[in-house]
Amino acid sequence: GENVEQHPSTLSVQEGDSAVIKCTYSDSASNYFPWYKQELGKGPQLIIDIRSNVGEKKDQRIAVTLNKTAKHFSLHITETQPEDSAVYFCAASGAGSQGNLIFGKGTKLSVKP
Amino acid sequence: EAGVAQSPRYKIIEKRQSVAFWCNPISGHATLYWYQQILGQGPKLLIQFQNNGVVDDSQLPKDRFSAERLKGVDSTLKIQPAKLEDSAVYLCASSHQGAKLFFGSGTQLSVL
Repeated sequence: GENVEQHPSTLSVQEGDSAVIKCTYSDSASNYFPWYKQELGKGPQLIIDIRSNVGEKKDQRIAVTLNKTAKHFSLHITETQPEDSAVYFCAASGAGSQGNLIFGKGTKLSVKP
Repeated sequence: EAGVAQSPRYKIIEKRQSVAFWCNPISGHATLYWYQQILGQGPKLLIQFQNNGVVDDSQLPKDRFSAERLKGVDSTLKIQPAKLEDSAVYLCASSHQGAKLFFGSGTQLSVL
């Protein structure tokens, strides 16, 4: 079955710097890759997603890139702000069932003012 | 638009007791999911419903976990009897036609 590895497990940056989180997946049939942000005591919130027919997607300060050949995808956050501090999860799912997301173990991002 | 509602927010029980969680999805979302999130890990799918039918329950420990979605709206997840390793946050999510998932805030279960 699908396996998703996520790195790093913790990331600390200064406000205004960029943050990059990387994930790899094992199942070449996976075609949907969302990223979730989870704040303490809350459920995961979708922040951006990408499908396998697209190499890059951007939404304001957030961007995701996908390399299907290498089976890895990355989240890029530019001009980080203290409110970006949270745990970020990548996920992957195969065709036919986007709900059966396989999640990475998460990255705890801390943005220092 | 109201989000996914879950209750209770917290539950503390002793091992071998039973517990039930409730979820009300976003109005109009036909697909409902229950995920288990153990501390320090990503969520893991337990069961997926499409309307009131089960689509995927391959990772549900059926000897102790059960779930139902009567009338294709609200859903309950039950654990009986609970084990120490069931301590986790139980997240409910819903989606419209298999699109983006929206999660509730979860129920944090502690089994002592």
